[in-house]
Amino acid sequence: NAGVTQTPKFQVLKTGQSMTLQCAQDMNHEYMSWYRQDPGMGLRLIHYSVGAGITDQGEVPNGYNVSRSTTEDFPLRLLSAAPSQTSVYFCASCSRDRGFYGYTFGSGTRLTVV
Amino acid sequence: AQSVTQLGSHVSVSEGALVLLRCNYSSSVPPYLFWYVQYPNQGLQLLLKYTTGATLVKGINGFEAEFKKSETSFHLTKPSAHMSDAAEYFCAVSGGATNKLIFGTGTLLAVQP
Repeated sequence: NAGVTQTPKFQVLKTGQSMTLQCAQDMNHEYMSWYRQDPGMGLRLIHYSVGAGITDQGEVPNGYNVSRSTTEDFPLRLLSAAPSQTSVYFCASCSRDRGFYGYTFGSGTRLTVV
Repeated sequence: AQSVTQLGSHVSVSEGALVLLRCNYSSSVPPYLFWYVQYPNQGLQLLLKYTTGATLVKGINGFEAEFKKSETSFHLTKPSAHMSDAAEYFCAVSGGATNKLIFGTGTLLAVQP
């Protein structure tokens, strides 16, 4: 049982490049979310999903796209990276089945845009 | 809409002293409330949660929190701080059909010897 797996752990991009941050969970959780963490600002919700095929915007969605074609995977796409997107990104998942245990977080992706 | 306010971005206590980290929330639906801890260069670990039932909840490492609906608060406490408690602590709220988890801005706890 791997939990929530994020890849890559570190990434450096040039301004204007695109990339996809991968997130996979093996717990059959229906809810998945992406956050960015910046000093002094806590974790801010980028996008979230309540199930396969259903996504919605969070607090800071601009510059990011998501899709959820399977229960397991929830990739985050940066179409044209900007220095303001330098951050640590966390993916999380949870389920309400059999009680509610809170979100489980991945170990994060540290992204630098130069 | 839901939101969380954490009073005090930095809190410093002496080893053995009481730890009190404050959290107030706003929610238009019955809230689920959480405290997470983050050690340097690591991910987030769930400390404790309130969903329904008993309003005083106990978590790992001797921490506890009390849900006070009338005060819209969920403060985190620990009777005696240990050096290993030094970390950043985040309060978060979720609830409703979307179950979005919204975080406060965090409190960095320093423990002085």
